[in-house]
Amino acid sequence: QSELTQPPSVSGAPGQRVTISCTGSSSNIGAGYDVHWYQQLPGAAPQLLLYGNNHRPSGVPDRFSGSKSGTSASLAITGLQAEDEADYYCQSYDNSLSGSLFGGGTKLTVL
Amino acid sequence: QVQLVESGGGVVQPGRSLRLSCAASGFTFSSYGMHWVRQAPGKGLEWLAFISSDETNKYYADSVRGRFTISRDNSRNILYLQMDSLRAEDTSVYYCARIRSSWELAAFAYWGQGTLVTVSS
Repeated sequence: QSELTQPPSVSGAPGQRVTISCTGSSSNIGAGYDVHWYQQLPGAAPQLLLYGNNHRPSGVPDRFSGSKSGTSASLAITGLQAEDEADYYCQSYDNSLSGSLFGGGTKLTVL
Repeated sequence: QVQLVESGGGVVQPGRSLRLSCAASGFTFSSYGMHWVRQAPGKGLEWLAFISSDETNKYYADSVRGRFTISRDNSRNILYLQMDSLRAEDTSVYYCARIRSSWELAAFAYWGQGTLVTVSS
């Protein structure tokens, strides 16, 4: 099955740590393709948050980190801030689809 | 700085066609592959199509293959998405995105602001 599965929602209090999982399969993450993460603030276009599993573009705080193992990847956010409230998407390549694939997205609520 | 500006969205009847444009500036357009991604109201991101820097490679999502065509004009720095046989379920905000590097599987580093397409009779 060519899909990336994310939890619909996660939440945490300011200052806490949260993680968002992205579960794929042998045709995408499990095949060794990189996972990228995007943040979409309310009413805005998505923006690149992490690339190549765990690399931060210039300007992204080191509170954001990523990891990948087997057929899954995770985004971790430490020191939660109100401004982190957004939708987060993982993305990878799928060789059975011969194209890119996005996860369903996870809405982060900062309590 | 990198700028991507989509245009061409609007209201269109089912079965009709529409062509979206994405005007690029602030970088050497002919050096980068480009994607189209859409987002239905209240839904997640859906990848649609990719075109390599020299148009050699084009890939499509199953949902649009045979109906949508991605193309580019490197002399004018414009990316296109020709959408035919539109359906109600194609109603979405459409984004163009530039990859981060010359590697085709690179992340979607830059995004436009999106253009809304509404398919309705």
